[in-house]
Amino acid sequence: AAGVIQSPRHLIKEKRETATLKCYPIPRHDTVYWYQQGPGQDPQFLISFYEKMQSDKGSIPDRFSAQQFSDYHSELNMSSLELGDSALYFCASSPPGLAMNEQFFGPGTRLTVL
Amino acid sequence: AQSVTQLDSQVPVFEEAPVELRCNYSSSVSVYLFWYVQYPNQGLQLLLKYLSGSTLVKGINGFEAEFNKSQTSFHLRKPSVHISDTAEYFCAVSFSASKIIFGSGTRLSIRP
Repeated sequence: AAGVIQSPRHLIKEKRETATLKCYPIPRHDTVYWYQQGPGQDPQFLISFYEKMQSDKGSIPDRFSAQQFSDYHSELNMSSLELGDSALYFCASSPPGLAMNEQFFGPGTRLTVL
Repeated sequence: AQSVTQLDSQVPVFEEAPVELRCNYSSSVSVYLFWYVQYPNQGLQLLLKYLSGSTLVKGINGFEAEFNKSQTSFHLRKPSVHISDTAEYFCAVSFSASKIIFGSGTRLSIRP
């Protein structure tokens, strides 16, 4: 079965650089979520999109922005990177329907800021 | 507001022994409950979920969890663990089509 695809899987950047993480949800899933997991931490919700509109916002820094495109893939743009942005970034998707919320997680993108 | 508390940050057990990982949640509305497993340097894999119905939920790899509304708990159990169960386990909660809130995780280490 198709799963959530994230690219790149690993990314190394310097401080103050920018980074773009991509997420391709499972086909026919219309909702995408982004989470950040720092070293030794639990995943923290950043932002979500439903039908290309932002549906919820968590602890996402102002330096970060995201969007969902017409093909439902999503991109997380990160600017002025800081050392503290080094983390594992997960994307998850869920299928249509508000009755339940099962999120399917991608493998994550490991971002290292030097 | 919703929150999740995992009472044990680390649980060491011997191989083939039973294990229980504890999870309590707080919410003023009905919630959905999940357990996720994260193996070293890997992503999150869903072990099991409680959405409604039977309070005893069976998941993959022989794990099960029981939803207890009066005690607001969703403890994870396995009758006999294997070395391959060594991982970080996250209890999580959400409602409707909303973000998932994770607990702080429990590191399960299996001793031979």
